[in-house]
Amino acid sequence: NAGVTQTPKFRVLKTGQSMTLLCAQDMNHEYMYWYRQDPGMGLRLIHYSVGEGTTAKGEVPDGYNVSRLKKQNFLLGLESAAPSQTSVYFCASSYGRDREFVDQPQHFGDGTRLSIL
Amino acid sequence: AQKVTQAQTEISVVEKEDVTLDCVYETRDTTYYLFWYKQPPSGELVFLIRRNSFDEQNEISGRYSWNFQKSTSSFNFTITASQVVDSAVYFCALSEAAGNTGNQFYFGTGTSLTVIP
Repeated sequence: NAGVTQTPKFRVLKTGQSMTLLCAQDMNHEYMYWYRQDPGMGLRLIHYSVGEGTTAKGEVPDGYNVSRLKKQNFLLGLESAAPSQTSVYFCASSYGRDREFVDQPQHFGDGTRLSIL
Repeated sequence: AQKVTQAQTEISVVEKEDVTLDCVYETRDTTYYLFWYKQPPSGELVFLIRRNSFDEQNEISGRYSWNFQKSTSSFNFTITASQVVDSAVYFCALSEAAGNTGNQFYFGTGTSLTVIP
């Protein structure tokens, strides 16, 4: 009963390096999300997707790119990592259809702790 | 402007005390949904409850209870006879129906609860 799985769990990067965070869900959810969590700021939405092949910007999209080539996977990329991107990243998914269903809880992965030196 | 406000940043209580976590939200929609999540020290986010804007009935689940008051735009969470295992960060979230493509949530900044044995 995996739910939402994020890899890796921890990563340390040097400024300017690139990397991709992987999120996989096995609940057949249409909607997927990437958040970052910083002290005192709660969860802020980076990008989200309402279905395979679609992505949209959230509140803090700058410096990140995403792709949703398969329904079950949602990738978050950092092209040139900066110390300001040091954070805990959470992926989530929820049931949805036709851009509706705003009453569904989002289900979260365990997070990825990313440090950029 | 913050759509969800959790004014209590940190709360400490002694075990077996009751504690209430406040959540105040702001929306112009008549249809919306409110959620509470728990983030224990292990880091994962756990869905606790959902409430829709048309149902003001209070909810009780064991030692947990939720008080939804539209008149004050509040959705407060009370833990009765707190236990050490209740120590966590608790997040309140809002999902609005109008114009919400993809079931986007607005999260509060969280309240860190410490239960002292």
